[in-house]
Amino acid sequence: AQKITQTQPGMFVQEKEAVTLDCTYDTSDPSYGLFWYKQPSSGEMIFLIYQGSYDQQNATEGRYSLNFQKARKSANLVISASQLGDSAMYFCAMRVSRGAQKLVFGQGTRLTINP
Amino acid sequence: EAGVVQSPRYKIIEKKQPVAFWCNPISGHNTLYWYLQNLGQGPELLIRYENEEAVDDSQLPKDRFSAERLKGVDSTLKIQPAELGDSAVYLCASSAPWLGGGGQETQYFGPGTRLLVL
Repeated sequence: AQKITQTQPGMFVQEKEAVTLDCTYDTSDPSYGLFWYKQPSSGEMIFLIYQGSYDQQNATEGRYSLNFQKARKSANLVISASQLGDSAMYFCAMRVSRGAQKLVFGQGTRLTINP
Repeated sequence: EAGVVQSPRYKIIEKKQPVAFWCNPISGHNTLYWYLQNLGQGPELLIRYENEEAVDDSQLPKDRFSAERLKGVDSTLKIQPAELGDSAVYLCASSAPWLGGGGQETQYFGPGTRLLVL
């Protein structure tokens, strides 16, 4: 069965520091996609970054990068130069079954940026 | 470009009452999803539509939940009758047609409807 594991319920980071949010996944499907979403207190799930299982390079989007280690089945999110506005819940998700487009989410990590 | 629109944002009802949520997806997105998010957890898929067809409703509790997507655009999710355990956030998402490339299946979410059943 497909599963996403986020082992950090909460993270506290000083403003301007880099932060890594952990995500491991489990699937037997060779084709899959990995996503990170941010959910502020307003409730909306904001798409941050995508990594395909066949992508050779790690994905980057501005201050966000995804540390994709396929052999270890990990897809950690790295946020550089954290800002106060980065405080939110962060969810790692996996798209299972090409074309089926079902997302399986982890439990989330609550990130708090301290001034 | 407008994002996914949901209404209402908040709803408080008494148990056994009916409730309905509405979603308008991003223009051109033929796939629409309804997710349930319980407090402190990640979202879980309830139902997925491809145009007007429900192609995955295996997680939808059909005894009390129903959904429709007439004309393949807007969608409505209904609960009748609501139970205390239905208190949660109901998220709607949409994605563009799958053309085989990477990332095209990205789902974009609306702000959600926060339901409280008393």
